Amino acid sequence: GEDVEQSLFLSVREGDSSVINCTYTDSSSTYLYWYKQEPGAGLQLLTYIFSNMDMKQDQRLTVLLNKKDKHLSLRIADTQTGDSAIYFCADLDTGRRALTFGSGTRLQVQP
Amino acid sequence: EAQVTQNPRYLITVTGKKLTVTCSQNMNHEYMSWYRQDPGLGLRQIYYSMNVEVTDKGDVPEGYKVSRKEKRNFPLILESPSPNQTSLYFCASSATGTENNSPLHFGNGTRLTVT
Repeated sequence: GEDVEQSLFLSVREGDSSVINCTYTDSSSTYLYWYKQEPGAGLQLLTYIFSNMDMKQDQRLTVLLNKKDKHLSLRIADTQTGDSAIYFCADLDTGRRALTFGSGTRLQVQP
Repeated sequence: EAQVTQNPRYLITVTGKKLTVTCSQNMNHEYMSWYRQDPGLGLRQIYYSMNVEVTDKGDVPEGYKVSRKEKRNFPLILESPSPNQTSLYFCASSATGTENNSPLHFGNGTRLTVT
């Protein structure tokens, strides 16, 4: 079946850039997503990228997609303590509108 | 305010005692889905529904039931809960259509403990 993998933990200092990486196996993925989960809360959609794009930028967030290598990354510029959360990448199974999630990357921002 | 509302937020129960987790959305979305979140496994889909009276199994449907009698509600039913169903559950909804991107909106989760 489909698989989405992420590293489990990333620690950065406030003001630095964070890069969270993700790999996926489904070659027919149409949309890939980044969700943020803060403690005790549901998942909040951060951004998404369509599979025919290489890059998408939205304020401090930059998504890079390497479709050949099936590699997705999320860069957060000028990381703040409020960015501390778990970040999930996910790809979309268009047939059943299901997202296949990675296990999540916990981002810790040190002041 | 557009939202997906789950109840209860926390639930502790005993093995075998039937329970229902409710989910309601106010966005007139046709698609609704249930996920469970477990450490190290991310989120896995339990059941989904493309429209009223249309439900299908996701990746981990065993031990769960759902119903979609009306558009806004999509309850998750555990007829005989077991400890391996201890998890964090999320309901999600989105507008219909797979050609255009319509992101999932998530509820705030229900933490279930089965002893």
